[in-house]
Amino acid sequence: DAGVIQSPRHEVTEMGQEVTLRCKPISGHDYLFWYRQTMMRGLELLIYFNNNVPIDDSGMPEDRFSAKMPNASFSTLKIQPSEPRDSAVYFCASSLAGGPYEQYFGPGTRLTVT
Amino acid sequence: QQQVKQSPQSLIVQKGGISIINCAYENTAFDYFPWYQQFPGKGPALLIAIRPDVSEKKEGRFTISFNKSAKQFSLHIMDSQPGDSATYFCAASRGGTYKYIFGTGTRLKVLA
Repeated sequence: DAGVIQSPRHEVTEMGQEVTLRCKPISGHDYLFWYRQTMMRGLELLIYFNNNVPIDDSGMPEDRFSAKMPNASFSTLKIQPSEPRDSAVYFCASSLAGGPYEQYFGPGTRLTVT
Repeated sequence: QQQVKQSPQSLIVQKGGISIINCAYENTAFDYFPWYQQFPGKGPALLIAIRPDVSEKKEGRFTISFNKSAKQFSLHIMDSQPGDSATYFCAASRGGTYKYIFGTGTRLKVLA
C-alpha cells in the first residue's frame, strides 16, 4: 500500500511568487495534517482536517497561508505571496479515525524561497 | 501548558551503549505519548507509543518509561547501534483530538 505522497519534493521559488504544495493521504485515512519543520522551530502543526473539513488552523502563521482538501484523496497548502522566512520542509501526514492515533508522514517538500 | 519540553538537544553515544532522551509536559489532559524517529531527508515515523495507564512499554531495544506524577516520559535505546543515528521527537496528544504537540527533537549519533 502506498504511503503518503507529497509533491513536489523540492521547490525553489522567488520571493513574492505563489507556491502550492500537494498531498495525497493514505487511502481510507480520515485525518490529514500539514506540518512545517525548521531548525529554529522544530515540527509545527499548521492545520489539520477531518473528513475533508478543517478542524484546527490555529498554527497557520499568516493569511498568506491557506490549505484546502477538496476530496478525501487530495490536499493543497498554498503560500501567496511567498517570503524567504517560509523556507522550510513541509510535511503532510494522515491518520485513521478510531485510534491508535498514529500519524503517517510523507517524505516532505523542501521549500526554498530566495 | 501546551508545550512538550525535550532534552537533550543532541546526544552522542558509543555503539552498544544506552541512549536516553527525556520529555516533560504540563497538560494533564494529554493521554497519548508517541516517539517518532526521523532520518535525514525522510518524514518522521512512529517508533513506539505509550498511554498513561502503564509505566513502561518495551519494543525490542526501545523502551518508554512513563512517570505520571512527575509528568515526564523518556525513551531508552538499549545496545545503541550506528543505524539508530537519527533525530527523535517525543509528542503528546489529548483525548482523541489526533493533534500532536511535538518536542523540539534530539539528534542522536551512535559512534561505531
